[in-house]
Order: sequence, then structure tokens, then C-alpha cells
Amino acid sequence: QVQLQQWGAGLLKPSETLSLTCSVNGESFSGYYWTWIRQPPGKGLEWIGEINHSGSTNFNPSLKSRVTISIDTSQNHFSLNLSSVTAADTAVYYCTRGRLTIFGGGGYYFDYWGQGTLATVSS
Amino acid sequence: DIQMTQSPSSLSASVGDRVTITCRASQDISTSLNWYQQKPGRAPKLLIYSTSNLQSGVPSRFSGSGSGTGFTLTISGLQPEDFASYYCQQSYSTPLYTFGQGTTLEIK
Repeated sequence: QVQLQQWGAGLLKPSETLSLTCSVNGESFSGYYWTWIRQPPGKGLEWIGEINHSGSTNFNPSLKSRVTISIDTSQNHFSLNLSSVTAADTAVYYCTRGRLTIFGGGGYYFDYWGQGTLATVSS
Repeated sequence: DIQMTQSPSSLSASVGDRVTITCRASQDISTSLNWYQQKPGRAPKLLIYSTSNLQSGVPSRFSGSGSGTGFTLTISGLQPEDFASYYCQQSYSTPLYTFGQGTTLEIK
């Protein structure tokens, strides 16, 4: 059974860097895209970015200048850094596993999720 | 970006009802459409991928259909545990995945 367990600082001040880590148990990193998604309070889901086992990354253009995603396959975890945070970055952040579909138009779906971490940005 | 629009935004129904939630894409996404269920304070849970494929462990009362720009999620015979929020997600425009704004299903 695949399990994603995430952790990181929950309260930040404006201009600080948000840092979260997601530990993956029960699955190897190969063959998937390991992804971060966030959800502002009471709002919908926003894809932040992804990384594969070889370290290849993709980011949401709206966040690209501030986002870093890294992976440590020896420790079975991947991480998110979001710099220069503002109140607009207040959200629950989820780590997920992106799995490639074998059907239709292709693309990835997110089949396993971490428990979520609320990151609040406030002065 | 591909915009995803769900309707309705909220819906009231009773246990045993059949409900349908619609998701429209701003451009053709073939069948690259996934559905998630989210309960308060919990992470989203994958229900259906690639329009109509039921994720392992998901009850068969959930079904999905559509192609191109129009998609539906149908729940046949609502159960108490089905009252939650539902999100569609397009996986056609990789890697910029986008979600619908969500539909909240409430007990009537």
C-alpha cells in the first residue's frame, strides 16, 4: 500500500520560503511524476509542479519563478520550496503521485495523496 | 491554459437519488478527464480516471462519461458517505493540469 506522509512549517511571514517534504512508502519513484497541489481555504485545487525519479521537473507558469521541487530517491522523499510567500500563498499543500493513464488522450491522474499541510502566511 | 467549468456549483439531493455533475473544458481534451471526491479536512480521493475508468475500490454507483469538451459524473443511488465536494481535472494539457472549481453535494 502506497503511503505519502508530508511535513513542514505551517506558519510563515511574508517574504519567507515555504518548505515541505513528502515521504513515500511502499513504492519506488520510478515511473511516476511526484506532484505538489495546493488548495486555498474554501477554494479549489491548483497544480504547482512535479518531478520524476530522474529529477526532471515541470512547474505551473504562474509560480515557476518561485518554485523549486527536488527529489532524494535514497531517502524516499521529495520536497517543495516556494520562495517570497505572500498571503495569497496561504493554502493546504498536498503531495501526490501522478500516474500516467494508458487510455485515451493520455496524461496523468493523481491516485495517492498526502494528508495535506496548512501553510499560513501572516505578518 | 485549459479552463474547466463545473455545474452546478452546489447541489442538494437525498439518499437514494441519482445525481449528475457536469464538467466542461474550454477546448477538446479527448477523454483526458479525471474526477475526485473531497470531504472536509481530507485530501481529495481519485474516483474515476480517463473519463470512465473506476479507480480500484470505488463503488460501482459512480460512473463517468463524455469526450471532447463535455463530461459527466453520475452517482446512482446516493449513500450518506457520498455527500462531499467533487472536482474534475483535465490531464490533456500536460504538464499544466487544471481543475474545475468544484461541486458541493449536500443533503436535502
